[in-house]
Amino acid sequence: NAGVTQTPKFQVLKTGQSMTLQCAQDMNHEYMSWYRQDPGMGLRLIHYSVGAGITDQGEVPNGYNVSRSTTEDFPLRLLSAAPSQTSVYFCASSPGPFNEKLFFGSGTQLSVL
Amino acid sequence: GESVGLHLPTLSVQEGDNSIINCAYSNSASDYFIWYKQESGKGPQFIIDIRSNMDKRQGQRVTVLLNKTVKHLSLQIAATQPGDSAVYFCAEIEGDDKIIFGKGTRLHILP
Repeated sequence: NAGVTQTPKFQVLKTGQSMTLQCAQDMNHEYMSWYRQDPGMGLRLIHYSVGAGITDQGEVPNGYNVSRSTTEDFPLRLLSAAPSQTSVYFCASSPGPFNEKLFFGSGTQLSVL
Repeated sequence: GESVGLHLPTLSVQEGDNSIINCAYSNSASDYFIWYKQESGKGPQFIIDIRSNMDKRQGQRVTVLLNKTVKHLSLQIAATQPGDSAVYFCAEIEGDDKIIFGKGTRLHILP
């Protein structure tokens, strides 16, 4: 098992550009989620999904979209990147329910200039 | 508001000694707590969890203690090793979907 795979590891964007952060898991987990990690702050939940076709907003959803067409994949889309979205992004999955025993990917470091 | 915090941002421990990392929480409705370890450049890794109906749980070299009276959580690492160097943070979960992560404590191992 590869676990949770995130791509890319690093990305630099210009303000206003859009992009998609990819996340895939091969553990057949129902629950998947996206977090951002900023210096001096704890992980903050952006969006989450409890199964294919179901998504919901977390604590800081503005500026981000998600979809869950399959159990394995949970991409995070930045519609129009802003400098405030400079952060490290982590995707996580869990066998459930919900937030128990999260398995995290290795992260994507995003800089928005 | 609700918060999960850590008492010390950095903890330096001699190799071989025991480490104790603390976490305070304020939401008395939280019923599940998890400790994660995050090594540099990696994603967080689950260490150990505890439910609110317990006050102690042991794993391999780690013990989590929960004191609901003072809303305090601690992670004890026995015989600290160089590989234990990382940021440790706690998370509190209320119900099915409300999770709050602490800011983290960096554990530094002295040779």
